[in-house]
Order: sequence, then C-alpha cells, then structure tokens
Amino acid sequence: QKEVEQDPGPLSVPEGAIVSLNCTYSNSAFQYFMWYRQYSRKGPELLMYTYSSGNKEDGRFTAQVDKSSKYISLFIRDSQPSDSATYLCAMTDSNYQLIWGAGTKLIIKP
Amino acid sequence: GAVVSQHPSWVICKSGTSVKIECRSLDFQATTMFWYRQFPKQSLMLMATSNEGSKATYEQGVEKDKFLINHASLTLSTLTVTSAHPEDSSFYICSARGGQGLHEQYFGPGTRLTVT
Repeated sequence: QKEVEQDPGPLSVPEGAIVSLNCTYSNSAFQYFMWYRQYSRKGPELLMYTYSSGNKEDGRFTAQVDKSSKYISLFIRDSQPSDSATYLCAMTDSNYQLIWGAGTKLIIKP
Repeated sequence: GAVVSQHPSWVICKSGTSVKIECRSLDFQATTMFWYRQFPKQSLMLMATSNEGSKATYEQGVEKDKFLINHASLTLSTLTVTSAHPEDSSFYICSARGGQGLHEQYFGPGTRLTVT
C-alpha cells in the first residue's frame, strides 16, 4: 500500500463547476500538506500548503485537511479551462522530504 | 519570487554520450536542491538531494556514478547523465529549497532528455 493514495483520473467536468480533488495517507507523522499543479511537460507549481487540520482559502482554491481521517482535499471554484492540468498532492515526512500522490489529471470542458 | 530555472529544456543525445543539466535558483539562495525523474503519466521520483558544498545523497536504486550531481554554489546545481542509454530518456526536474521554510520546494520547468 502506498503512503499517499490519489486517484489518477482523468476527472472531466464542465467549465464553472466546483472541482474536488482528494488524497488519503497512512502516515500520521506527515506534517505539511501541499498541492501542486503541473501542466504537461512543465515542472510542478506550488498552489497551496497547510499544516493543521481545517481549511485554507486562496482565491478560487480551498485546501482542506482532516488529520483524524488522514484525508486532504483541494476544491476549485468556478473552474476554468486553464485549470486543466495534473494536480499532485504531496506531504512532508519527518525529514521534510516530499511524499507524492500519483496526481489527478483534471480536464475542464468549455 | 522563488523562481527556479533549468537549462536546457529539451536535449537529444546519442547513446554513450554524457549530458549536463543545469538548475538555478534565480532570486533566492538554495541551501538544498533536489533532482527528480518523472516518467509519462507518473508522479515524481526523487533521485537525490544535494546541499551546497556537500556530496549528494542518492535514493536507493539510483546509480551515483551514472547521475553525477554537483551543487557548487547556493544558486546552481548540475546533473550530469553519463554514458547515457535510451532507458535514461525521461523528464528530469530539479527543485530548490532556501530560507522560505523546510517544507517549501520550488520546482524548475524540467528538462526532457531523449537518448537515441
């Protein structure tokens, strides 16, 4: 079993919809929870990170962490075709190394 | 801020030759740099971690004599793929970590290596 589980998708939604991306993890020692966006043939771009359980909002993006359930989510409101990309969750272990999910490919249909 | 560049963005080389990839932090000092490899439709695989002025620490299964990493300054790390073979063809991505926090890594745009 992988330490971080993420559905690879693809997830296809119409423009304007609310998108929900999720990851589960098994290691309760993970400290920081990150969401990266990766366009095809590009490096990952850090979108948001959280440390504690709860919600963190940045524009159209909301990151949610539930440490008791070992579950994290990224919500995208008013999704745009430009949001089409692969979204990777990652978590830091005790050495601050990033442990990655598989990435979910998101497609926003105009 | 926190911009990382890589050069070249795409390189084609012949089997048996060596190729060097540069990673630079443009607006911050990177005490630690990381090198990743990514195959199509897969997540990132950490190859090695390098601290400025120190030898790189390689992940299990990564050949240190094949993938030479040099982190000679706080803004530059290089990855040299020696005696490249077609199976080394991949997307190589570097990231850098500076004073922003141990949890924050900023990634370069990646280098696509094709070995013919």
